[in-house]
Amino acid sequence: DIQMTQSPSSLSASVGDRVTITCRASQSITSYLNWYQQKPGKAPNLLIYAASSLQSGVPSRFSGSGSGPDFTLTISSLQPEDFATYYCQQSYSTPWTFGQGTKVEIK
Amino acid sequence: QVQLVQSGAEVKKPGASVKVSCTASGYTFTTYGISWVRQAPGQGLEWMGWISPYNGNKNYAQKLQGRVTMTTDTSTSTAYMELRSLRSDDTAVYYCATLHTSGPFEYFQNWGQGTLVTVSS
Repeated sequence: DIQMTQSPSSLSASVGDRVTITCRASQSITSYLNWYQQKPGKAPNLLIYAASSLQSGVPSRFSGSGSGPDFTLTISSLQPEDFATYYCQQSYSTPWTFGQGTKVEIK
Repeated sequence: QVQLVQSGAEVKKPGASVKVSCTASGYTFTTYGISWVRQAPGQGLEWMGWISPYNGNKNYAQKLQGRVTMTTDTSTSTAYMELRSLRSDDTAVYYCATLHTSGPFEYFQNWGQGTLVTVSS
């Protein structure tokens, strides 16, 4: 199985900050990487697919980059509604696997 | 708009089975696969498998093989996930999600609201 490792596990940031979350796969997954946002008590919400494609309706402050084993999710200017947990997920091979999550908290 | 509505919370005893439903609306049911993902309390997301409502093709996570069965009923646009021989570590919120593709890339685009399954004696 492909292991996905996110860092950091949690971070504290202020509104307006630029936030970067990294995700590393245990092997190359080319661009088969998706990002999801999850708020407490809610289902995950797709942000980015294919490493860098912004899902329709997702604000442009979210962006994804990377390929191979290393990927980044960037929030260019953190907004109050962005405080949540973020997960990466590989779709290169089954079993599809998720990172352990990065919780973004208010500083 | 695409909507997935799941069945209500369940409480089961160890060794029992549970069957969760996921009813789709707002699109042609056979267009997208349905994946199931679960989340234990306070934990991360775990993919369980997927099924194609179009042709019935399935792919289950190896760790659940033999205990999980995914089915669909195209007449009611409903997907089902049955998990047998329940254990306490099966306690989780279970989500269904539509599986979309863009070229070779696959992702979970629309999600149900989740169904809490509690396994307790």
